[in-house]
Amino acid sequence: GAVVSQHPSRVICKSGTSVKIECRSLDFQATTMFWYRQFPKQSLMLMATSNEGSKATYEQGVEKDKFLINHASLTLSTLTVTSAHPEDSSFYICSARDWGQNQETQYFGPGTRLLVL
Amino acid sequence: EDQVTQSPEALRLQEGESSSLNCSYTVSGLRGLFWYRQDPGKGPEFLFTLYSAGEEKEKERLKATLTKKESFLHITAPKPEDSATYLCAVQASEYGNKLVFGAGTILRVKS
Repeated sequence: GAVVSQHPSRVICKSGTSVKIECRSLDFQATTMFWYRQFPKQSLMLMATSNEGSKATYEQGVEKDKFLINHASLTLSTLTVTSAHPEDSSFYICSARDWGQNQETQYFGPGTRLLVL
Repeated sequence: EDQVTQSPEALRLQEGESSSLNCSYTVSGLRGLFWYRQDPGKGPEFLFTLYSAGEEKEKERLKATLTKKESFLHITAPKPEDSATYLCAVQASEYGNKLVFGAGTILRVKS
């Protein structure tokens, strides 16, 4: 299957600082990528849909000014958590949409564990 | 009301003891049903996509089936390495490109 990478895999930061997470599709081009958040023992919650060359679409309740998304190329989307606070600590996972054999599949990255102190 | 419901929440099996996981959905305009496996601290790993009722797909010890209301993930003669959380997600016309996930089933296979 297709490969999606995330960087960094883990990050610890101080409250009030900003953190950038990168999501790359390594062997395919993705016009659409998705950002999810996962709390312990819970399922994935979609935060936003990232479209190459246009503004991201945010889910209800997700602050677009706090979670900045940039999808500048067909293989890279970034999520910046601005002025992070302890309640932003979570597991952030991206996915990229791939079309193969006329079938659509979302492939997920390995996730980024964010801890805000 | 949840659109995607997975059962059971957790399942303990002995090695070699076959079983099935269930994913029921209530969305309209199903475009695809996806199964993923997630290990602790990692992102979901794609397993299958099913598009229409009656469709079946297999991969090693796993077999996924789909009806108009639910999907089953059958695990035949599981091994300890099959232990993981299995997530079901649906893509439907009412949600556009988005996947709507179930809460998952935690599977533990003991040797």
